[in-house]
Amino acid sequence: AQTVTQSQPEMSVQEAETVTLSCTYDTSESDYYLFWYKQPPSRQMILVIRQEAYKQQNATENRFSVNFQKAAKSFSLKISDSQLGDAAMYFCAYRSARGSGYALNFGKGTSLLVTP
Amino acid sequence: NAGVMQNPRHLVRRRGQEARLRCSPMKGHSHVYWYRQLPEEGLKFMVYLQKENIIDESGMPKERFSAEFPKEGPSILRIQQVVRGDSAAYFCASSENAAKNIQYFGAGTRLSVL
Repeated sequence: AQTVTQSQPEMSVQEAETVTLSCTYDTSESDYYLFWYKQPPSRQMILVIRQEAYKQQNATENRFSVNFQKAAKSFSLKISDSQLGDAAMYFCAYRSARGSGYALNFGKGTSLLVTP
Repeated sequence: NAGVMQNPRHLVRRRGQEARLRCSPMKGHSHVYWYRQLPEEGLKFMVYLQKENIIDESGMPKERFSAEFPKEGPSILRIQQVVRGDSAAYFCASSENAAKNIQYFGAGTRLSVL
């Protein structure tokens, strides 16, 4: 089974600054998908960004970008110009691209605090 | 376009009772996934269903838990004879099809077992 590790239980960033959340994963597959989800206090899981493993180009969505290092099995999330509304739990997730293995495997999450 | 709808948002049950959690996928989505989130943990996959079929139930506990996604109506996650360890947030997600790899989540049902 694939394992997703988020080594930072908590992170803090000042408003307007940049923060990077780390994620590593363990897999023997070559084709897969990676995701970052945000879970604010409302508990709603919101997709932030996704990356297809066969694409070398790092995904970006407005202020959110990833640093995907396939060989190192690393998938970090960079949040630029942090806003108070970015405060939430952030979960990294892995999904196989094969067979019926469509389950998302989540890390334990990183709690992001944004200070004014 | 309404998102994934889960109800109830909060459910309180006493030990030994049954819990029924409902999930209506996004319009046009025929694939449903159930996940469980224990306190201080990430989400754990439970089961993946298509209309009238269970595709992958590798994450479901062997006893007391069952899921269905009938031809008409919402998907149901059923927990019989609940125990305190079943207390958790249960999330449902849906996707348009298996190849569309984005899963959209509901707001979850928080189950508390007294």
